[in-house]
Amino acid sequence: AQSVAQPEDQVNVAEGNPLTVKCTYSVSGNPYLFWYVQYPNRGLQFLLKYITGDNLVKGSYGFEAEFNKSQTSFHLKKPSALVSDSALYFCAVSAMDTGRRALTFGSGTRLQVQP
Amino acid sequence: GAVVSQHPSWVICKSGTSVKIECRSLDFQATTMFWYRQFPKQSLMLMATSNEGSKATYEQGVEKDKFLINHASLTLSTLTVTSAHPEDSSFYICSANRGRNTEAFFGQGTRLTVV
Repeated sequence: AQSVAQPEDQVNVAEGNPLTVKCTYSVSGNPYLFWYVQYPNRGLQFLLKYITGDNLVKGSYGFEAEFNKSQTSFHLKKPSALVSDSALYFCAVSAMDTGRRALTFGSGTRLQVQP
Repeated sequence: GAVVSQHPSWVICKSGTSVKIECRSLDFQATTMFWYRQFPKQSLMLMATSNEGSKATYEQGVEKDKFLINHASLTLSTLTVTSAHPEDSSFYICSANRGRNTEAFFGQGTRLTVV
């Protein structure tokens, strides 16, 4: 079975400051890791993914994430937060090499960026 | 980028009636689509995997006779909530992958309210 943990329900950060949203995972086989963002009453928008290759992954809107195999983590980061980054963020994992492409999501972290 | 379109965005129905939700891949073919359910302030839970030309695969605890899935073409999957009850009220979201080892693209979601 695969699982994702997002230990923080909410993260508060001042505009212009760096932000980190934490994610750890558990999966059999090679992890395929994703970050999505959700705005109210909307579907999910893809931010970035780790499939293979460099551990530091750069994605949309200035976000990046670092895959750490030993810590089984995939934390989302951004050097300078914007008020418009305020939203609900989901980390997700799949084990595509086992044939299961469906995503298992974390519980979500609400990011609040204060002006 | 790939686009997945979901319709309707919201629907209100009476108890006992059935509601059909459509999920379309607009610029790619999808042999597999996924249906998720999201309760307020909670994460997305996989309901079922929709397979083109064959029966859907349901997750444990999801009633297949309650949530009918049809994937009649490579670009369309439908979810029908039969004999809806207030406890079926939720946000339903579909997704599809353009290809192997790629990220999932999500529909806009459907807010179902059963009164």
